[in-house]
Amino acid sequence: QVQLQESGPGLVKPSQTLSLTCTVSGGSISSGSYYWSWIRQPAGKGLEWIGRIYTSGSTNYNPSLKSRVTISVDTSKNQFSLKLSSVTAADTAVYYCARERPRGLQRYGPVDYWGQGTLVTVSS
Amino acid sequence: EIVLTQSPGTLSLSPGERATLSCRASQSVSSSYLAWYQQKPGQAPRLLIYGASSRATGIPDRFSGSGSGTDFTLTISRLEPEDFAVYYCQQYGSSPTFGQGTKVEIK
Repeated sequence: QVQLQESGPGLVKPSQTLSLTCTVSGGSISSGSYYWSWIRQPAGKGLEWIGRIYTSGSTNYNPSLKSRVTISVDTSKNQFSLKLSSVTAADTAVYYCARERPRGLQRYGPVDYWGQGTLVTVSS
Repeated sequence: EIVLTQSPGTLSLSPGERATLSCRASQSVSSSYLAWYQQKPGQAPRLLIYGASSRATGIPDRFSGSGSGTDFTLTISRLEPEDFAVYYCQQYGSSPTFGQGTKVEIK
């Protein structure tokens, strides 16, 4: 059973960089054809996809966040990470790491595993 | 960017009733890259349906999905108490997006 766990600071100052790590257990991050993703949800609001990284290291980012986002993977630690620069209060949200699993011959897939989520607050 | 619009915003129903949730896309969703998720308070979302109509592992058959192109539907045939939650549709193509959600509440 795959499990994902987010970790990182719960409080970030405006204009600084938000950094989160997702540790994957129950399977190797580099095995299989999976995408590893970040998704966020402001309190009381809907879900926003931030970006994904493939096991090969290729990435896709949300166009509205692309200039501020970097997702990377560390296969030796079975982890992947999110960096979001120049944060403002609008970046305050619960951040989820997740696994996307393509089905059959499809290139992309839905999220089949989610972390529990971690609240990040942007405030001075 | 593909914008997904869900309707209604809130659905007030009683246990045992049928729920019909709609998700409309601003442009065609390729290869039926359309999923539905259920989210309860304080929890991460749970995958219900993928490929527009395939149930995820362990999902009861009272949940069904249909549609193609720009119009998709999630149907819950008979609501159980545990089904009252918020439901999101998602297109998971090259740049995924989510709908704004439909809350199914107890009438």
